[in-house]
Amino acid sequence: QVQLVESGGDLVKPGGSLRLSCAASGFTFSDYYMTWIRQAPGKGLEWVSYISTSGSTIYYADSVKGRFTISRDNAKNSLYLQMNSLRAEDTAVYFCARDRRYGGYQRFDFWGQGTLVTVSS
Amino acid sequence: DIQMTQSPSSLSASVGDRVTITCRASQTISSYLNWYQQKPGKAPKLLIYAASTLQSGVPSRFSGSGSGTDFTLTISSLQPEDFATYYCQQSYSTPMYTFGQGTKLEIK
Repeated sequence: QVQLVESGGDLVKPGGSLRLSCAASGFTFSDYYMTWIRQAPGKGLEWVSYISTSGSTIYYADSVKGRFTISRDNAKNSLYLQMNSLRAEDTAVYFCARDRRYGGYQRFDFWGQGTLVTVSS
Repeated sequence: DIQMTQSPSSLSASVGDRVTITCRASQTISSYLNWYQQKPGKAPKLLIYAASTLQSGVPSRFSGSGSGTDFTLTISSLQPEDFATYYCQQSYSTPMYTFGQGTKLEIK
């Protein structure tokens, strides 16, 4: 069965850095786009970034562009999010999600359980 | 960016009720609309994609409709496990996906 397990969330000071990981299993990881989505406490969902199957195509939300870097290691079935220059407004649960594109329609069909990032002094 | 607006923001209903949640896009998105269910402390779960296609394993009491700018999620007969928050998401404007603000469905 498809499993996505995030790790790396922590309490970090403003301006600090953190690297999130997402370990995938139960499917051919290299066949799928992957995405990070976040949810601030008590708030809605915000798409953060996605990466294509080979890593050659990457996009970021304007709110994180220039500070966050998404990457993947298909040999290790893993997705990463390097987060630099963290701000209080980056405080959120970060989910990795499988980005399925089939028949011309995109959707996030499997999600990890999330990892909490708290940015506070 | 395409803005997604859900209504209502919250809703109280009883087991067995028929419930409809609406999602409106700020511009036409054809049928590029997905619906998710999220329970407290859990990850969202895909219910419907392409506006009306039921994700595998999702009960048939869930249905979606609409195209263009106006969409609905209907639960035909509420079950206790359906009390949750529901989000719509547009996939028209790749990669700038946006979600609605959510609709919290509570027990009356």
